[in-house]
Amino acid sequence: QSVLTQPPSVSGAPGQRVTISCTGSSSNIGAGYDVHWYQQLPGTAPKLLIYDNNNRPSGVPDRFSGSKSGTSASLAITGLQAEDEADFYCQSYDSHLSVVFGGGTKLTVL
Amino acid sequence: EVQLVESGGGVVRPGGSLRLSCAASGFTFDDYGMSWVRQAPGKGLEWVSGIIWNGGSTGYADSVKGRFTISRDNAKNSLYLQMNSLRAEDTALYYCARDFTTPGHMDVWGKGTTVTVSS
Repeated sequence: QSVLTQPPSVSGAPGQRVTISCTGSSSNIGAGYDVHWYQQLPGTAPKLLIYDNNNRPSGVPDRFSGSKSGTSASLAITGLQAEDEADFYCQSYDSHLSVVFGGGTKLTVL
Repeated sequence: EVQLVESGGGVVRPGGSLRLSCAASGFTFDDYGMSWVRQAPGKGLEWVSGIIWNGGSTGYADSVKGRFTISRDNAKNSLYLQMNSLRAEDTALYYCARDFTTPGHMDVWGKGTTVTVSS
């Protein structure tokens, strides 16, 4: 059981918008620690997608965006494309446990 | 090119030991903290351990505390993970990752090295 809770799966048709939630608690996201998101394409290493809640590294399309509020965070993907199909993980810091990840969400593009 | 290359994985019996290495290149290694993250087959990511830039502070997941030791050699641009008393549940792909900030995000990842604990 992960400290950060994500839905196991989400899906959407090409061109649609999907969101992935990441729910934490007062010892991690709610304590003010930043949330980061990673994309893991099949058979590859994770790749940083969003850092510090809502910042994109160079090269990440602006179709990907992040937000944070209270004890939760969200990743939004607009204009869904087939190549977006991947596993997505949120990550933060927990004052009791150090670095924590969400359980991961599998995105299926229908 | 910024790169992290892990090595040292393999098959080991329960109770055995293994030492993983991560060779860094393309950046000033001692400017950054580093982490090990693992992924069991078909499972999600699990942070294992982290170390700050000069090795002066380390952290471990409860699942490995007392069994694993993280270290680094800045002169060799290398990160290590000494794994003792290995268990079946330690079977995973182990990634080395650069910590952009501590605490913070991991902005560079290696391709991983596989550890299998089996009798």
